Amino acid sequence: KNQVEQSPQSLIILEGKNCTLQCNYTVSPFSNLRWYKQDTGRGPVSLTIMTFSENTKSNGRYTATLDADTKQSSLHITASQLSDSASYICVVSPRNFGNEKLTFGTGTRLTIIP
Amino acid sequence: DVKVTQSSRYLVKRTGEKVFLECVQDMDHENMFWYRQDPGLGLRLIYFSYDVKMKEKGDIPEGYSVSREKKERFSLILESASTNQTSMYLCASSSQGSRETQYFGPGTRLLVL
Repeated sequence: KNQVEQSPQSLIILEGKNCTLQCNYTVSPFSNLRWYKQDTGRGPVSLTIMTFSENTKSNGRYTATLDADTKQSSLHITASQLSDSASYICVVSPRNFGNEKLTFGTGTRLTIIP
Repeated sequence: DVKVTQSSRYLVKRTGEKVFLECVQDMDHENMFWYRQDPGLGLRLIYFSYDVKMKEKGDIPEGYSVSREKKERFSLILESASTNQTSMYLCASSSQGSRETQYFGPGTRLLVL
């Protein structure tokens, strides 16, 4: 069964600090991996997408990395801001399907405190 | 700017009621999706549609049905609401293709009493 596991479940850091969120997956064969940000009470918004041939992708202060050999990804947030408080969801898409076969992680709940 | 809207942010219904959740997208996307999101679980796909009047079951279709009469609108129907259908419901749309990003609506938080 395809699975996506994220760690930690929750994280609290001080404003201005950096943090790294982890994602391990078992989806195979693999097509692409996305990170989404979900603010409380809102729908998820895409941050990055990486295919199996890419190992890093940046979007402002967000940098995602991918190791397709070990089936691991991370999302690094630099110089955190209060607006970064949200859930971050890792989503994996299998090869040979459209985007109706996504496997979603349960997310990491990030809280930034002033 | 892309937009997916859902008819209600919050709904309270009684057990046995018929419930309609509406979703509209303005991006001319072929694909539309309905998910539910529960604490401790990832988003789970209920139904999706890749064209008008076409629908496919997702991972948890039991107790739900859908309707897509127009390309921009995708409705989720709970024929007889039950308390275990209390959840956050998220609609999404996308172009076709595995690399296409799904754009989500704000969600409808449904409480069934």
